[in-house]
Amino acid sequence: GAVVSQHPSRVICKSGTSVKIECRSLDFQATTMFWYRQFPKQSLMLMATSNEGSKATYEQGVEKDKFLINHASLTLSTLTVTSAHPEDSSFYICSARGRGPATAQYFGPGTRLLVL
Amino acid sequence: GQQLNQSPQSMFIQEGEDVSMNCTSSSIFNTWLWYKQDPGEGPVLLIALYKAGELTSNGRLTAQFGITRKDSFLNISASIPSDVGIYFCAGTVDSNYQLIWGAGTKLIIKP
Repeated sequence: GAVVSQHPSRVICKSGTSVKIECRSLDFQATTMFWYRQFPKQSLMLMATSNEGSKATYEQGVEKDKFLINHASLTLSTLTVTSAHPEDSSFYICSARGRGPATAQYFGPGTRLLVL
Repeated sequence: GQQLNQSPQSMFIQEGEDVSMNCTSSSIFNTWLWYKQDPGEGPVLLIALYKAGELTSNGRLTAQFGITRKDSFLNISASIPSDVGIYFCAGTVDSNYQLIWGAGTKLIIKP
């Protein structure tokens, strides 16, 4: 199956700093990438959808100035958590899909963010 | 927002037993996907379904896209300890391909 990587897998940062998370599709071209956040014992919550070369579309309640998304190429999207606060601590997961309707979303392994 | 009704919420079974879980919705779905998620990991795609009535197997796993396009089931035959985890159904309803998620089924295998 298709492979999606995320980096870093874990990050600890101080409150007020910014953190960048990378999501890469390793063996296919990802025309669309998605960023999710997951709280313990819950299903994934979609934060934003990004198409290559376009601005990301954010879900209601997600601050676009806080969670900056860049989808610069067909294999890379980045999520930057700006001025992180402890409440931003969470598990962030990206997914990617290729072109066409009969294409599944493949997920990265996730990034555990802890803001002190 | 839209949500899928996934059941059961959790299952306690003996090793070797068969497992069945399903998802239903009041809306018509274009695709159904089944994922497994282990603690601290991202979801791993198990089976993807794209046509109503489609029945697809992946090893001991079998899933079907309901003929009404409003439901799907996942069966696991002869469960083994590594099947433990949380299984999520997900689907898409429109061309933005955003996934709508079930709440998950936690599978626990009794030794």
